[in-house]
Amino acid sequence: AQKITQTQPGMFVQEKEAVTLDCTYDTSDPSYGLFWYKQPSSGEMIFLIYQGSYDQQNATEGRYSLNFQKARKSANLVISASQLGDSAMYFCAMREVPFNTPLVFGKGTRLSVIA
Amino acid sequence: SAVISQKPSRDICQRGTSLTIQCQVDSQVTMMFWYRQQPGQSLTLIATANQGSEATYESGFVIDKFPISRPNLTFSTLTVSNMSPEDSSIYLCSVDDGGELFFGEGSRLTVL
Repeated sequence: AQKITQTQPGMFVQEKEAVTLDCTYDTSDPSYGLFWYKQPSSGEMIFLIYQGSYDQQNATEGRYSLNFQKARKSANLVISASQLGDSAMYFCAMREVPFNTPLVFGKGTRLSVIA
Repeated sequence: SAVISQKPSRDICQRGTSLTIQCQVDSQVTMMFWYRQQPGQSLTLIATANQGSEATYESGFVIDKFPISRPNLTFSTLTVSNMSPEDSSIYLCSVDDGGELFFGEGSRLTVL
């Protein structure tokens, strides 16, 4: 069975600084995808970044990058140059390939950006 | 990318009543998922709804409490039956469109 662990219930970061949100996972399937979502207080789920288990390069999307360490089964999200609007809940999730399965989510990390 | 319209966006309900949440997608999708997010918690999968077949429920969720309909490839409903305050949550539908996952804006239910 798949499992996602996010050990940081809450994080604080100074505006314009970088922050790393931790995520470890467990799966017996060799093919899987890892996702990060942002959930602001309004409740919608905003897709941030995706990493496939066979991808050689770490994924990047603008200010978001994913530090993928397959041997350690970790997929940490790095947000550079934090902005006040980055304050939200962040969820790490995974699903197996082929993609006909739902996402399994971690418990989330609440990020607060301080001016 | 799929665009999902979820209704209602929020509602306040009385204990013992039932509420149906609608999820409309602007493209045909095979797989739809319904999630529940209790206050301060993560998303928990309720069921997977494929068109033309019965929904598949996760452990802890039963059809009598959360009946789901999937009449076609663009629409699904989730009913929360005989509600209690413990059902106060955000309910989200999600679709798989060509391997990409998209979420509705969520339905925030408060049960008094």
